[in-house]
Amino acid sequence: ETGVTQTPRHLVMGMTNKKSLKCEQHLGHNAMYWYKQSAKKPLELMFVYSLEERVENNSVPSRFSPECPNSSHLFLHLHTLQPEDSALYLCASSHGLSYEQYFGPGTRLTVT
Amino acid sequence: GQQLNQSPQSMFIQEGEDVSMNCTSSSIFNTWLWYKQDPGEGPVLLIALYKAGELTSNGRLTAQFGITRKDSFLNISASIPSDVGIYFCAGQLDLAGGTSYGKLTFGQGTILTVHP
Repeated sequence: ETGVTQTPRHLVMGMTNKKSLKCEQHLGHNAMYWYKQSAKKPLELMFVYSLEERVENNSVPSRFSPECPNSSHLFLHLHTLQPEDSALYLCASSHGLSYEQYFGPGTRLTVT
Repeated sequence: GQQLNQSPQSMFIQEGEDVSMNCTSSSIFNTWLWYKQDPGEGPVLLIALYKAGELTSNGRLTAQFGITRKDSFLNISASIPSDVGIYFCAGQLDLAGGTSYGKLTFGQGTILTVHP
């Protein structure tokens, strides 16, 4: 595997479900990010981790819970989501808090 | 929050034509990045710009960091069908007194369609 990978690529969940999104980077980076991409809206930064510590939480509802167990892995735990949370969730990584961020392919989430 | 205005929203061109798109802001940015996103994929970094006035090329792509630090443009020369996709600009606003934790502000994107 190379670059940034995300699983699953597609996820359909009910509002009462609990699920997790996984991101893994193979670039030797030490900063990782979660973004939300909704139709006709700019990418929205959700969370930033640097050296496994959260350094940014961009006013994201508590139904989204990130976890970064090491510099290569990032998770986004989801529970009691709303239909408006349906979107493409993108993971990115960078060398330090560089602005050259490299993105994964995303997880297309649909909340029913 | 900070906003980037990206234009045009969409472009329909013939193969072989040159393309130009730009991003503007009322705020000053220290970094400009240009990304391309193909359907079903994440954005791919095309060009990064770090200095006002900087002009950088990557193959048929050329981007410039505006001298006022409030804008950037991306040109694609001699377009080909695989140039189809959504192009995003992204900028980093240097907050006074400290780091901004790699926080990027993205434009809304320019959808490019290339007709063979």
